[in-house]
Amino acid sequence: EVRLVETGGDLIQPGRPLRLSCAASDFTVSSKFMSWVRQAPGKGLELVSVIYSDLNTYYADSVKGRFTISRDNSKNTVYLQMNSLRVEDTAVYYCAREGNDYSMGYWGQGTLVTVSS
Amino acid sequence: EIVMTQSPATLSVSPGERATLSCRASQSVSSNLAWYQQKPGQAPRLLIYGASTRATGIPARFSGSGSGTEFTLTISSLQSEDFAVYYCQQYNYYWAFGQGTKVEIK
Repeated sequence: EVRLVETGGDLIQPGRPLRLSCAASDFTVSSKFMSWVRQAPGKGLELVSVIYSDLNTYYADSVKGRFTISRDNSKNTVYLQMNSLRVEDTAVYYCAREGNDYSMGYWGQGTLVTVSS
Repeated sequence: EIVMTQSPATLSVSPGERATLSCRASQSVSSNLAWYQQKPGQAPRLLIYGASTRATGIPARFSGSGSGTEFTLTISSLQSEDFAVYYCQQYNYYWAFGQGTKVEIK
């Protein structure tokens, strides 16, 4: 059974860095595109970043230059390095995997990032 | 950038009734359209991809239709577990979500 487990969420001050992890089971992260999607409190879904199987990446304009997505094939884990965090980055961050096409067929349970002084 | 617009924002429906949710794209996305369901405190769940194909394990009461810029999600007979927020997403050019439609009990 495909499983995605996010960790790393925390309460952190503006301007500080934080790294999120998404550990995958029952498939290899290098074989599918993997993404991070966030949801601010009471708001909708926002795609943050994607890493394709060929290592190409995509970033939303709101995080470009501050966030970096990567993966470690040996650990079957995807990461989101978040630098220069802002209050508006406060959200639940979900890891999601490619489904049958370019939809997001599998989701983790999410990890909460709170940026506040 | 493709903008996805969902309507209505909130839909009040009685159990057993039909619910029809709409999603419009600012430019054609072909059939590269997915629908997700999200319940409070839970992660989104894929319902429909390719505009009309049900994901694994999704009941037949959920159906999707449309192509180009106009799409519809229909829930034929609402069950108690269907009251949730529904999001459409295009993946024809990168990805973009709609703002969601909340289906609530009337």
